[in-house]
Amino acid sequence: AQKITQTQPGMFVQEKEAVTLDCTYDTSDPSYGLFWYKQPSSGEMIFLIYQGSYDQQNATEGRYSLNFQKARKSANLVISASQLGDSAMYFCAMREGRWTGNQFYFGTGTSLTVIP
Amino acid sequence: EAQVTQNPRYLITVTGKKLTVTCSQNMNHEYMSWYRQDPGLGLRQIYYSMNVEVTDKGDVPEGYKVSRKEKRNFPLILESPSPNQTSLYFCASSFLGRGPGRDEKLFFGSGTQLSVL
Repeated sequence: AQKITQTQPGMFVQEKEAVTLDCTYDTSDPSYGLFWYKQPSSGEMIFLIYQGSYDQQNATEGRYSLNFQKARKSANLVISASQLGDSAMYFCAMREGRWTGNQFYFGTGTSLTVIP
Repeated sequence: EAQVTQNPRYLITVTGKKLTVTCSQNMNHEYMSWYRQDPGLGLRQIYYSMNVEVTDKGDVPEGYKVSRKEKRNFPLILESPSPNQTSLYFCASSFLGRGPGRDEKLFFGSGTQLSVL
């Protein structure tokens, strides 16, 4: 079974609008972390936001927020007020805890295009 | 500056010619790993290492070798490259704490675009 599932290969959003990128995960470890990374066309991987499995509140980092629904095992990334520079590939990732090996798993990514 | 240095950035080679992609980090990270990125498949882990002399297979280890003789270096070796190993490769490292936690996020190198003809 896939550890991380991103079901949206491509998304379009109008500039200044908000957009939600979906991510679901699968783990039996009670301790895990969820990460989102951005990969612009230049290719580098940029860390955006982190959510821990025991965190009570949804994570926020500037225009990025994480809609964490633990019971549904989903960790959707919300980008508010989209900008042209947000056009990129976005990857959801999960790191499991020490008891299950500390491994990182990545989804297949969502390509976001911001339309002027 | 904290960074993961990966070389070369681009590499074109022929089938069967052994090659090494180097990776070095200056953050004293325990964890290092290699990924390949292919369209529609995301990032798939090739090998990872929790510490010096400790390496383990990831999801797609066939055709690759690694070694971790020093904490800072984690080279990826392709003994006999084949065209299906044409891909974008990333080295990454992270701190290993009691976590997982925000401090344990992966730091990535700039990537190596490999073409095997």
